[in-house]
Amino acid sequence: AQSVAQPEDQVNVAEGNPLTVKCTYSVSGNPYLFWYVQYPNRGLQFLLKYITGDNLVKGSYGFEAEFNKSQTSFHLKKPSALVSDSALYFCAVRAYSSASKIIFGSGTRLSIRP
Amino acid sequence: DTEVTQTPKHLVMGMTNKKSLKCEQHMGHRAMYWYKQKAKKPPELMFVYSYEKLSINESVPSRFSPECPNSSLLNLHLHALQPEDSALYLCASSQDPSGADTQYFGPGTRLTVL
Repeated sequence: AQSVAQPEDQVNVAEGNPLTVKCTYSVSGNPYLFWYVQYPNRGLQFLLKYITGDNLVKGSYGFEAEFNKSQTSFHLKKPSALVSDSALYFCAVRAYSSASKIIFGSGTRLSIRP
Repeated sequence: DTEVTQTPKHLVMGMTNKKSLKCEQHMGHRAMYWYKQKAKKPPELMFVYSYEKLSINESVPSRFSPECPNSSLLNLHLHALQPEDSALYLCASSQDPSGADTQYFGPGTRLTVL
């Protein structure tokens, strides 16, 4: 069975500091990994995905994520946080062998203080 | 253009009402999805349509009835709902239901059942 875990319900960062939102996964086979962001009362916006290739994936709004197979992690990072980055972030995984659906993590609320 | 539109934005209905949610995409995507999202929780998959055919029903109660009239449209018909069905209903689409295709989400319909 495939699953994804986001161990932190909330992450607080000062504006201008680097941020990391953690995600670990469990799948049988090669994973497809995604990060989405959700602003209040809005749908999910796609940030980036890892399918294969370079372990460092660059996405929208200056975000990037590093795929680490040995640690089964896919942490989301940004070198310098903005107040506007404050939102709910979801990691998601799809198993290569399962074309049917993606599984979302529980979400991490990112709060950037001025 | 990666836009998925949903109407209405908000819907309030009684438990005896019949209403419908509408989703539309013009990206040529052949897979469309309905999700239910409770506050501060991840989206939960309800239905998947693949090439206009229902491919996944995640054991959703029959008071929710999906319909895919054509490749661009997805409806969710609601009848005799319960107050616990109040949630944000998200529609998504992807190029193909298999593989690593990104799902693009609409803004959602906020449903309140009285």
